[in-house]
Amino acid sequence: GDSVTQMEGPVTLSEEAFLTINCTYTATGYPSLFWYVQYPGEGLQLLLKATKADDKGSNKGFEATYRKETTSFHLEKGSVQVSDSAVYFCALLTSGTYKYIFGTGTRLKVLA
Amino acid sequence: GAGVSQTPSNKVTEKGKYVELRCDPISGHTALYWYRQSLGQGPEFLIYFQGTGAADDSGLPNDRFFAVRPEGSVSTLKIQRTERGDSAVYLCASSLGSQGSPLHFGNGTRLTVT
Repeated sequence: GDSVTQMEGPVTLSEEAFLTINCTYTATGYPSLFWYVQYPGEGLQLLLKATKADDKGSNKGFEATYRKETTSFHLEKGSVQVSDSAVYFCALLTSGTYKYIFGTGTRLKVLA
Repeated sequence: GAGVSQTPSNKVTEKGKYVELRCDPISGHTALYWYRQSLGQGPEFLIYFQGTGAADDSGLPNDRFFAVRPEGSVSTLKIQRTERGDSAVYLCASSLGSQGSPLHFGNGTRLTVT
């Protein structure tokens, strides 16, 4: 079945460091891909998405590019802030369905 | 505006008891989802409603779990004869209902079965 694999955390970085969180997927057809973020004490919220191959989603300085050839959707940010500390979830939605499938999440901690 | 509201935020129950978890979605959102999140895991799909009907209940683990959405708005997840393995955070999300619409999550109900 469809699945998402994320790098294990926690990831601990200093402020202004470069961030990469790896995400790969297995899916039939052509899924849409998403990154959701969960800040402490809050519900999951959409960070960015990409709906077809080579699309780049971006928001709040974060970016991810839909790579069909490597079945990947890695999350990147050039300079993290303490306020980016959260749990990040990669997710997919197979075309024609409404069932979102999530990865296990990666906790990011940014130190001042 | 108001987001997705879930009540209670915490529920402790004894093994074998019945529990109900409530979700109040964003007004106007026709799609409603229930997910379950165990410690250290991502959200696991349980059921999806489009309007009043359950369009996909393939994630419900067994017949002890049931969910309703009688008027197409508020939904209740019902768990009978609770087991310790049911302990988790139960998440509700709603969306506008078109394919690919982003999910808006509530803060979840933490269920502990003792």
